[in-house]
Amino acid sequence: QKEVEQDPGPLSVPEGAIVSLNCTYSNSAFQYFMWYRQYSRKGPELLMYTYSSGNKEDGRFTAQVDKSSKYISLFIRDSQPSDSATYLCAVERNTDKLIFGTGTRLQVFP
Amino acid sequence: SAVISQKPSRDICQRGTSLTIQCQVDSQVTMMFWYRQQPGQSLTLIATANQGSEATYESGFVIDKFPISRPNLTFSTLTVSNMSPEDSSIYLCSVEDDADPIHYGYTFGSGTRLTVV
Repeated sequence: QKEVEQDPGPLSVPEGAIVSLNCTYSNSAFQYFMWYRQYSRKGPELLMYTYSSGNKEDGRFTAQVDKSSKYISLFIRDSQPSDSATYLCAVERNTDKLIFGTGTRLQVFP
Repeated sequence: SAVISQKPSRDICQRGTSLTIQCQVDSQVTMMFWYRQQPGQSLTLIATANQGSEATYESGFVIDKFPISRPNLTFSTLTVSNMSPEDSSIYLCSVEDDADPIHYGYTFGSGTRLTVV
């Protein structure tokens, strides 16, 4: 079993839609949860991070962690074509080591 | 946040040869990381490089295949040695942003797209 599972997509939605991206993880010891966005031919950039369970909101983005079910989500409201990218979830297992999901490719069409 | 310059951005190499990838950061950082991103797979950590000490390699990666240098707090290199087509991948360096602990983030370079023929 992989430590982090993520549906690779692709996910195609119309502009203005609400997007839900999800990951599951296997180790209850993970404490930090992150979402990265990666545009084509670019490195990943940190979008959101959450410590332990709960929600965190930043503009149109909301990150949600449910440690009881080992489930992490990223919601994008009012999606824009500029949101088209690959979204990677990541968890921290121990100090300075991230474990990534495979990434979900999102396309928002006008 | 830190800005990373990674070179080359892409290369096509013959099997059996070696390629050295450079990673330059615009600020001093304690730890630098090297990742591999294969098509359809997650980013996989190759090794962690601290200045002044040997790099720490993850399971499945060895120093003879991926030697790493870390001569100072702003620079590191990763060499992919004796390449085979299976080494075709994107290689990325990353740093923990010491100057921005609030965001608890890791900054990535744009990556080196390597094709071995």
